[in-house]
Amino acid sequence: DSGVTQTPKHLITATGQRVTLRCSPRSGDLSVYWYQQSLDQGLQFLIQYYNGEERAKGNILERFSAQQFPDLHSELNLSSLELGDSALYFCASSVGLAGLNEQFFGPGTRLTVL
Amino acid sequence: AQSVTQLGSHVSVSEGALVLLRCNYSSSVPPYLFWYVQYPNQGLQLLLKYTSAATLVKGINGFEAEFKKSETSFHLTKPSAHMSDAAEYFCAVSDHAGGSYIPTFGRGTSLIVHP
Repeated sequence: DSGVTQTPKHLITATGQRVTLRCSPRSGDLSVYWYQQSLDQGLQFLIQYYNGEERAKGNILERFSAQQFPDLHSELNLSSLELGDSALYFCASSVGLAGLNEQFFGPGTRLTVL
Repeated sequence: AQSVTQLGSHVSVSEGALVLLRCNYSSSVPPYLFWYVQYPNQGLQLLLKYTSAATLVKGINGFEAEFKKSETSFHLTKPSAHMSDAAEYFCAVSDHAGGSYIPTFGRGTSLIVHP
């Protein structure tokens, strides 16, 4: 158990819909990362937050947005869903911003868009 | 931007045999390097990391990796494979971008262990 929790575990929805994925980081971790894992793209970094502020963006679509709340939990919002958005979405947390910090991954949310 | 290449999407070994998973990165300066493991239906967990303290890094479960600057490589090895080592392995490099370090992951190598 990494200490990072993600809800829900599975999500099945239809094209055009909007969903929210939730992540609670390990106690004491200020940095939260979101990743998308799919068979064709591998593990792709989406976005990072540190203590409530956005710090870095990766390959995140404009239809996707995220935020980190004062209690440090984070939400990833996916809208106007397409079939290609079906993937595993991981949240990870780390203590800070340093490059040598280990990331602790949650169990993931499996999103299926029908 | 950094790139990470993992040679071989699948590596198959017999139980007790040497495990060698290859990772090459693109960087002009020594980066932070990591190996993560992902077991089925789980998130990734850290095996080991290189932070310039020593070129040979020992990790959990008997794995180790050697940083070779001249070859821009960080290959993962284990002397004797165990059935429980069957998993997906990811090499990652941390890239400094806009005041933060963002890891770039390789495509992963699936380790298959035969009895």
